[in-house]
Amino acid sequence: LAKTTQPISMDSYEGQEVNITCSHNNIATNDYITWYQQFPSQGPRFIIQGYKTKVTNEVASLFIPADRKSSTLSLPRVSLSDTAVYYCLVTGSNNLFFGTGTRLTVIP
Amino acid sequence: EPEVTQTPSHQVTQMGQEVILRCVPISNHLYFYWYRQILGQKVEFLVSFYNNEISEKSEIFDDQFSVERPDGSNFTLKIRSTKLEDSAMYFCASRGNGAGWRNEQFFGPGTRLTVL
Repeated sequence: LAKTTQPISMDSYEGQEVNITCSHNNIATNDYITWYQQFPSQGPRFIIQGYKTKVTNEVASLFIPADRKSSTLSLPRVSLSDTAVYYCLVTGSNNLFFGTGTRLTVIP
Repeated sequence: EPEVTQTPSHQVTQMGQEVILRCVPISNHLYFYWYRQILGQKVEFLVSFYNNEISEKSEIFDDQFSVERPDGSNFTLKIRSTKLEDSAMYFCASRGNGAGWRNEQFFGPGTRLTVL
């Protein structure tokens, strides 16, 4: 299981773009990278998933360099409601193993 | 939008008692999961379930735990004899039968279990 490392916490002002980087040096060929979001007292919620290069959906973008040893979740123009914990997961199976995540606080 | 539901939202029990946590996964999903999150800690995988049997379980999922899909809609987690350290939020999740490596799981709102 590839270990992931991401910042414990980040602060950002409303309206700014936020980039959260995750390191996963031991990622395996079969692994893919998935990001989840969790609000207090709620279950995690899928944000985005990728294998390589760039993936974009209506919520976020995910940038994965060619060596796949890291990934960056980009949240455009965050709002107060984006305050949450963001988890980077690397797995080749369908079972999810969460780390401690990055606690993002959006400041007015 | 379809969602995973869980009942009860909060369960208080005495140590040594049995509890059953209930989940209704999204109707056309085939893969089911239980996770738990002790207050202030990370989400931990407990068990995955497919085709009426356990696919994988973690070290946490010992003989005190069991899962069942008693009918076509419910998915339950039973803890036979609760311990104080079982106090946590328990999340159920389900996943569709998407091809390839896509593994978006949909989580329920959780059941907060408090063991006294």
